[in-house]
Amino acid sequence: AQTVTQSQPEMSVQEAETVTLSCTYDTSESDYYLFWYKQPPSRQMILVIRQEAYKQQNATENRFSVNFQKAAKSFSLKISDSQLGDAAMYFCAYRRISGTYKYIFGTGTRLKVLA
Amino acid sequence: DAGVIQSPRHEVTEMGQEVTLRCKPISGHNSLFWYRQTMMRGLELLIYFNNNVPIDDSGMPEDRFSAKMPNASFSTLKIQPSEPRDSAVYFCASSPGGGRDRAYEQYFGPGTRLTVT
Repeated sequence: AQTVTQSQPEMSVQEAETVTLSCTYDTSESDYYLFWYKQPPSRQMILVIRQEAYKQQNATENRFSVNFQKAAKSFSLKISDSQLGDAAMYFCAYRRISGTYKYIFGTGTRLKVLA
Repeated sequence: DAGVIQSPRHEVTEMGQEVTLRCKPISGHNSLFWYRQTMMRGLELLIYFNNNVPIDDSGMPEDRFSAKMPNASFSTLKIQPSEPRDSAVYFCASSPGGGRDRAYEQYFGPGTRLTVT
């Protein structure tokens, strides 16, 4: 069975600094998708970034980028130039390429941004 | 695009009452998911539909929970009778599916906060 682990319950970062959130996963599949979702206090789940496992290039979306290490089964999220609006819960998620449509979510990391 | 629409946003009810949560997926999406989020258990998938057909309901906690999708633009999650332990935020999400670009991405609604007293 696939699992997703976020070992950092809470992280803090100074405004304008860079922070990295960790995520590891376990799977026997060779192709899959990985995601980071943001959940601000409004509780809306927002897709931040996605990575296809068959792509070696790390995904980037503006200030958000990932470090995808397939062999290590690691998928960390880097937020550059942190802003107060980045404060939220961040969830890592996994989905197989074929078969089930299920996402497997991690337990989340709460990010605090300090002014 | 209106996004996924859920109603009501907040629901407070007494134990034993029937509760119905509603979801309108993004137009053209053919997969729909119901999740429950609590502090203790995190985000749990309850059930998902593909082309209006329930594919996997193994996450539905017990027979008190039921979900329907009578057409491509509407789904309901019903709890009857409700219990205090059902208090949670319930999310609906939809996904394009098929062979379209980014068919696998899920887009979430704003959630319904349910409180059962």
